[in-house]
Amino acid sequence: SAVISQKPSRDICQRGTSLTIQCQVDSQVTMMFWYRQQPGQSLTLIATANQGSEATYESGFVIDKFPISRPNLTFSTLTVSNMSPEDSSIYLCSAAGGGSKRDTQYFGPGTRLTVL
Amino acid sequence: AQSVAQPEDQVNVAEGNPLTVKCTYSVSGNPYLFWYVQYPNRGLQFLLKYITGDNLVKGSYGFEAEFNKSQTSFHLKKPSALVSDSALYFCAGDREDTGFQKLVFGTGTRLLVSP
Repeated sequence: SAVISQKPSRDICQRGTSLTIQCQVDSQVTMMFWYRQQPGQSLTLIATANQGSEATYESGFVIDKFPISRPNLTFSTLTVSNMSPEDSSIYLCSAAGGGSKRDTQYFGPGTRLTVL
Repeated sequence: AQSVAQPEDQVNVAEGNPLTVKCTYSVSGNPYLFWYVQYPNRGLQFLLKYITGDNLVKGSYGFEAEFNKSQTSFHLKKPSALVSDSALYFCAGDREDTGFQKLVFGTGTRLLVSP
């Protein structure tokens, strides 16, 4: 199984600013994903982080608001841009070793973001 | 699975009793189904998955899940609950619209195990 770390673990930010969240995996993985978990809600997939190319965004999420980088097979970042209180959520990174539907996704501990 | 449903927001059980957390899915082909657990201020931890084969899947911490194709269900079970099992449980299924894995999650069920 992959061990995934995220930084920061939590942050309190002002409206209109941006925050970059880092995700580090302890081994090379094919797939990396970013999810949002709004307070008291389930997980919603934001995007698939593609190594060496632009991320693939889900409906309702756009690159200008959530730019994602993935420079290599173990690291990705998610930026939450021009934040508003509605962006207050837990942001989770996940990774799967291969590209198969049979693979298991492992999750990081999450970043708890509060926007004032 | 195109969608996954968890019909119960909360399940209460006494320690030592068996527990069941329900999950149903909708899919037109073969489903890939997963259970995760989330403890307070923690990320999701993988419990078990159904890919193919035996309908009874065994996972971590004594949990198991039964895949029932006729009822389109994948209920999570444990023979004897522990207080430490109290957490938020998510059922997830693989979406069918991509060639690689993308998960869709249920709304979650909070399990409370009383001493």
